[in-house]
Amino acid sequence: DTGVSQDPRHKITKRGQNVTFRCDPISEHNRLYWYRQTLGQGPEFLTYFQNEAQLEKSRLLSDRFSAERPKGSFSTLEIQRTEQGDSAMYLCASSLIGVGPNYGYTFGSGTRLTVV
Amino acid sequence: AQKVTQAQTEISVVEKEDVTLDCVYETRDTTYYLFWYKQPPSGELVFLIRRNSFDEQNEISGRYSWNFQKSTSSFNFTITASQVVDSAVYFCALSEDTGGFKTIFGAGTRLFVKA
Repeated sequence: DTGVSQDPRHKITKRGQNVTFRCDPISEHNRLYWYRQTLGQGPEFLTYFQNEAQLEKSRLLSDRFSAERPKGSFSTLEIQRTEQGDSAMYLCASSLIGVGPNYGYTFGSGTRLTVV
Repeated sequence: AQKVTQAQTEISVVEKEDVTLDCVYETRDTTYYLFWYKQPPSGELVFLIRRNSFDEQNEISGRYSWNFQKSTSSFNFTITASQVVDSAVYFCALSEDTGGFKTIFGAGTRLFVKA
């Protein structure tokens, strides 16, 4: 397995356009997460899936944001009518559920969104 | 509410020095999970360690060690004999869920290790 893959790596879009990002998690992992990171800050939780079910959404996730994980495999994050404030790095991570010391997130390289 | 505070914004050391990154957390739960992640200049976050609240044993992994103290709500990270490759932003994080969902990250500490 090559880890968590995110596509595209960079996206520049005009304000008001829709954008969609894709994440392919590690196949054995049953949880998939989306986070957003702005410059100089730690990642902020957006939403997560266990298998194909979206179990939690942050209040940061406005109605313009939607995430899907059909068939419990890859996930997409769509932002409609983008705004300049949406400019950030969008991170995807996956994990197994467990309490051992090695149970943490595996992050992808992220998609950097710039809204102009 | 959960909160993670990393008071040190930036630290600069010379290679081979020891350095400790501080992390203080707040949670109302009696069961919680603490993490450290590294974000090198390449940008991809890398998981380093996880500690469960019911296990206060300190951890050592090579040049890295972690000191978990419930009494002071701290989970500090020490790098011994730092190297240039340790230069990165380090994030401390907290979750109240076994699976680590809705993990709250601190703002990070940027470590510069000079040759």
